[in-house]
Amino acid sequence: GAGVSQSPRYKVAKRGQDVALRCDPISGHVSLFWYQQALGQGPEFLTYFQNEAQLDKSGLPSDRFFAERPEGSVSTLKIQRTQQEDSAVYLCASSLALGGEQYFGPGTRLTVT
Amino acid sequence: DAKTTQPTSMDCAEGRAANLPCNHSTISGNEYVYWYRQIHSQGPQYIIHGLKNNETNEMASLIITEDRKSSTLILPHATLRDTAVYYCIVRFPPLQETSGSRLTFGEGTQLTVNP
Repeated sequence: GAGVSQSPRYKVAKRGQDVALRCDPISGHVSLFWYQQALGQGPEFLTYFQNEAQLDKSGLPSDRFFAERPEGSVSTLKIQRTQQEDSAVYLCASSLALGGEQYFGPGTRLTVT
Repeated sequence: DAKTTQPTSMDCAEGRAANLPCNHSTISGNEYVYWYRQIHSQGPQYIIHGLKNNETNEMASLIITEDRKSSTLILPHATLRDTAVYYCIVRFPPLQETSGSRLTFGEGTQLTVNP
């Protein structure tokens, strides 16, 4: 069956632009996670949804980062006024239930110039 | 979650067993040991997890020491496609976390399987 998909796969933004990154989780998966992965580092947690509720956003690095999952399925990570330090791969993962195995998408590579 | 320590890199010959160590000396009694791997330009992929007993699945085996302070992931017959970064992660059962069981990754071990 289809796995987690993310779009776009690559995004180049000029500093100061807003970007929106999309995640399509596996159908029926309740939990959805966003992670940020800088070059040469392991992924770092950003935020977590249980259905449409955002239960933890403690990993979001600043108030320029905003995530939503309005219908409990597709999620969008938005970054306003992008900065060079936002350049990273943004990974989305979903799991069937709380604490279950997380399935990752291929990520979106964001480059801010 | 307890911190883990892994070697930065390892090499293995194709067809041989790859043994990837992980130290987690501060692990608490009810924390699980998880392994994920990340092939270049892909998202991480779950491999295996365990609490106390050794575990085996179609991908790998997990050996946890009796004191639970360290573990070893074993790929019995490594192939070129096993070249990846391998992450050892320690986490609580989901009901003990408010964060939905986020995964806390370290820097992992870059395993290179050579022909």
